[in-house]
Amino acid sequence: NAGVTQTPKFQVLKTGQSMTLQCAQDMNHEYMSWYRQDPGMGLRLIHYSVGAGITDQGEVPNGYNVSRSTTEDFPLRLLSAAPSQTSVYFCASSYGNLRELFFGEGSRLTVL
Amino acid sequence: ELKVEQNPLFLSMQEEKNYTIYCNYSTTSDRLYWYRQDPGKSLESLFVLLSNGAVKQEGRLMASLDTKARLSTLHITAAVHDLSATYFCAVGAGGSQGNLIFGKGTKLSVKP
Repeated sequence: NAGVTQTPKFQVLKTGQSMTLQCAQDMNHEYMSWYRQDPGMGLRLIHYSVGAGITDQGEVPNGYNVSRSTTEDFPLRLLSAAPSQTSVYFCASSYGNLRELFFGEGSRLTVL
Repeated sequence: ELKVEQNPLFLSMQEEKNYTIYCNYSTTSDRLYWYRQDPGKSLESLFVLLSNGAVKQEGRLMASLDTKARLSTLHITAAVHDLSATYFCAVGAGGSQGNLIFGKGTKLSVKP
């Protein structure tokens, strides 16, 4: 099993550009989420999904969109990138039921 | 609003000494997790604590949970260099059982 796979690992964008961070898991987890990690801030929840067709906002959802058309995939879209979105993004999944999160390797995004 | 505070944020340790990292949280939660992150890497699950008085041990690390005090501790016994990393505690938040609020992390450095 590959676990949680994120692509790309690195990306540089210009302000105003759009892009999608991909996340796929092969563990048949119902729950998936996106976090961003900034220095000294820990990880903050952006959006999450408890199953295909169901998404909701986390702590810091502004500027990001998500969708969940399949159990396996949970892409994160930046519609108009801003320098404040420079961060490392982590996708995570779990079985739910109080089980721990499994994290992807992260995607480092720089917005110029 | 759930807040999670870790202290210390930085810990320089000598090998073979014992240390404790503290994780306080502001509102009632039914689950607490500890993760490890090596520089530039993803997060690795260490412990899942789901009940008052829960204690988990793995090697030189031991985690405990006091839900009445809203406090978890991560105790390091006889530190070794391999334990150098950043350690995060995360507490279950509302919305879904998968949602977590993370502390800012404790950067631990073990020196000979």
